[in-house]
Amino acid sequence: KNQVEQSPQSLIILEGKNCTLQCNYTVSPFSNLRWYKQDTGRGPVSLTIMTFSENTKSNGRYTATLDADTKQSSLHITASQLSDSASYICVVRSNYGQNFVFGPGTRLSVLP
Amino acid sequence: DTEVTQTPKHLVMGMTNKKSLKCEQHMGHRAMYWYKQKAKKPPELMFVYSYEKLSINESVPSRFSPECPNSSLLNLHLHALQPEDSALYLCASSHIAGGGPDTQYFGPGTRLTVL
Repeated sequence: KNQVEQSPQSLIILEGKNCTLQCNYTVSPFSNLRWYKQDTGRGPVSLTIMTFSENTKSNGRYTATLDADTKQSSLHITASQLSDSASYICVVRSNYGQNFVFGPGTRLSVLP
Repeated sequence: DTEVTQTPKHLVMGMTNKKSLKCEQHMGHRAMYWYKQKAKKPPELMFVYSYEKLSINESVPSRFSPECPNSSLLNLHLHALQPEDSALYLCASSHIAGGGPDTQYFGPGTRLTVL
């Protein structure tokens, strides 16, 4: 069964600190993996998209990694800001049809 | 323009009402999606349109009726909804309907409350 798991479920950090969010998946055949940021009550916004051949991709203070062998991805946030408080959702796409598999998300709270 | 717009932003309706949610994109995308999202849960896929044709219907009740008038517009017609249908309804679009490294762009959502 195609599944995406994320950890931790929630995370609280102080402003300026770094953090890493984890995503494990069993989706097959794998096409790509995306990380989205979703503010409460708003639509998800894409942060990064990674294909099978990519190991690391950065977008400002966000750096995503992908290990296609172990089917794991991480999202590292550097020098966190209050505006980083949101849910971060890992989505894995299969090569077949419209199969976007959503993870449950990690709720990040950045405190002053 | 990488924007997906949705109207209205908020909607409150009774169980006997008929209303419609609207979604629009001008990125030339040929795949459009409706998702339902409950609080603290990931989005759940409802419908997928590919080249204006319904390609996926995830066993959604008939009180939800999608419509794709053209490649830029996607509507969701609502009729006789139940209180448990209250949720954030998200529209998304992407370039193509098959696999590939394209991104789904999401709209801001419509917050629906059914009384």
